[in-house]
Amino acid sequence: EAQVTQNPRYLITVTGKKLTVTCSQNMNHEYMSWYRQDPGLGLRQIYYSMNVEVTDKGDVPEGYKVSRKEKRNFPLILESPSPNQTSLYFCASSQRAGRAYEQYFGPGTRLTVT
Amino acid sequence: TQLLEQSPQFLSIQEGENLTVYCNSSSVFSSLQWYRQEPGEGPVLLVTVVTGGEVKKLKRLTFQFGDARKDSSLHITAAQPGDTGLYLCAGGISRGKLIFGQGTELSVKP
Repeated sequence: EAQVTQNPRYLITVTGKKLTVTCSQNMNHEYMSWYRQDPGLGLRQIYYSMNVEVTDKGDVPEGYKVSRKEKRNFPLILESPSPNQTSLYFCASSQRAGRAYEQYFGPGTRLTVT
Repeated sequence: TQLLEQSPQFLSIQEGENLTVYCNSSSVFSSLQWYRQEPGEGPVLLVTVVTGGEVKKLKRLTFQFGDARKDSSLHITAAQPGDTGLYLCAGGISRGKLIFGQGTELSVKP
């Protein structure tokens, strides 16, 4: 089954404790992206990757890091989480369809930073 | 900062009514996508439009891309309770970069 998986699904942590949210896709997509979703703000793009070893900042990259060492994996790293990073995080992968990148989303990771 | 304004933010209607959701921007988009999200799940793509003036239909849902590629609308005919969910529009800015509207929470009551 074609899918994007994220782990963990739920995470409660404390300020300053480094964490990694993993993302993996089995569709051989070149493009992957991370978003955060907050009430009233929709989804905001954090980072995206056009291919292995190619990453770019989205609209809200501060406080986050990513890496793309393999095509299927795109982990999101919070080196020193803060309470304002409490949010619902989605990973997505995409195939290019003409001018558009049609995204397949993972199930989400709900992160709480206390 | 490029923005995509989505309206209304909340919509509560009775089964059988029609509704329209709008996405507007001052920016030109290379593509415009609509997604639907249910609680506890990730968004699911409904449609992609890329040409100014393009109209696409998906059963009772009609999607339109503005002539200038700055705005889009989603029209649902004879809404059903199964249409309940969060509807999101997303505009393609540049290669790989997307911006999303704030979303429209639709509730269709039987």
